[in-house]
Amino acid sequence: GQQLNQSPQSMFIQEGEDVSMNCTSSSIFNTWLWYKQDPGEGPVLLIALYKAGELTSNGRLTAQFGITRKDSFLNISASIPSDVGIYFCAGQPYLNAGGTSYGKLTFGQGTILTVHP
Amino acid sequence: DGGITQSPKYLFRKEGQNVTLSCEQNLNHDAMYWYRQDPGQGLRLIYYSQIVNDFQKGDIAEGYSVSREKKESFPLTVTSAQKNPTAFYLCASSILAGGYEQYFGPGTRLTVT
Repeated sequence: GQQLNQSPQSMFIQEGEDVSMNCTSSSIFNTWLWYKQDPGEGPVLLIALYKAGELTSNGRLTAQFGITRKDSFLNISASIPSDVGIYFCAGQPYLNAGGTSYGKLTFGQGTILTVHP
Repeated sequence: DGGITQSPKYLFRKEGQNVTLSCEQNLNHDAMYWYRQDPGQGLRLIYYSQIVNDFQKGDIAEGYSVSREKKESFPLTVTSAQKNPTAFYLCASSILAGGYEQYFGPGTRLTVT
C-alpha cells in the first residue's frame, strides 16, 4: 500500500527555536493534513492543504503542499513548551478515475518533538 | 458541542475475554474509522465504515469486529483471537467529500493481562 516517509523521527530543541519536519511519498496525494497528538490523547487537526503549492498558516505553524504533490512540510516558529507532542502527516492519495478510497488516509510514522525550557 | 466520544478512557480485561470499545459522534459524519496505536508507532487502520450497515477491513482487522447499526455509532469488539490486544485505540470520523479530514476521539487505552 501507499506509504509516507516522515522525518525526522524525533527532535530535541530549546524553547524559542524554529522546527521543521516533512513527509514524502512515492505517489501523488490530493490532500495533505497535519495533526498533533498530546500524550494519551487523540490527534488534533492542525492544518489542511488542498492544492499543490499551497502555503497555509495557523498561528506559529506553517505548512506547505509540495509542488510535485508528493511531499509536504510543517514549520513551527518560536517553539514553546506546550508544542511538545507527536506530529503526524496524513494524505489522501490520488486515485485513478473510478477508484474509491472511502475517505481512507495514509499516515506518516510521526515526529516526536521535545522542547526544553 | 459537536465531537467524538470514546468510552471508557481506560479498560482492563483478562486474557481470553472479548471487550467492546464505544465510539459515538454527533458531527453527522458519514464515515467512521478505528485505529490502533502502539507505543512509539503510528496509526494502523483496523476497520472503517462509509455508511450504515456497511464496513470494510483495514490493514490489521484480524481479531477485531465492528458494527454500524446507526450513523453516529461504530463500536469495536476486540476478540480473544487478537494475539496482542494491549494498545491505544482511536476512533475517527469524516465526511466523504472535500479533503476527507478525519477528526479523532480521545482514545481508549486497553490493557489485557
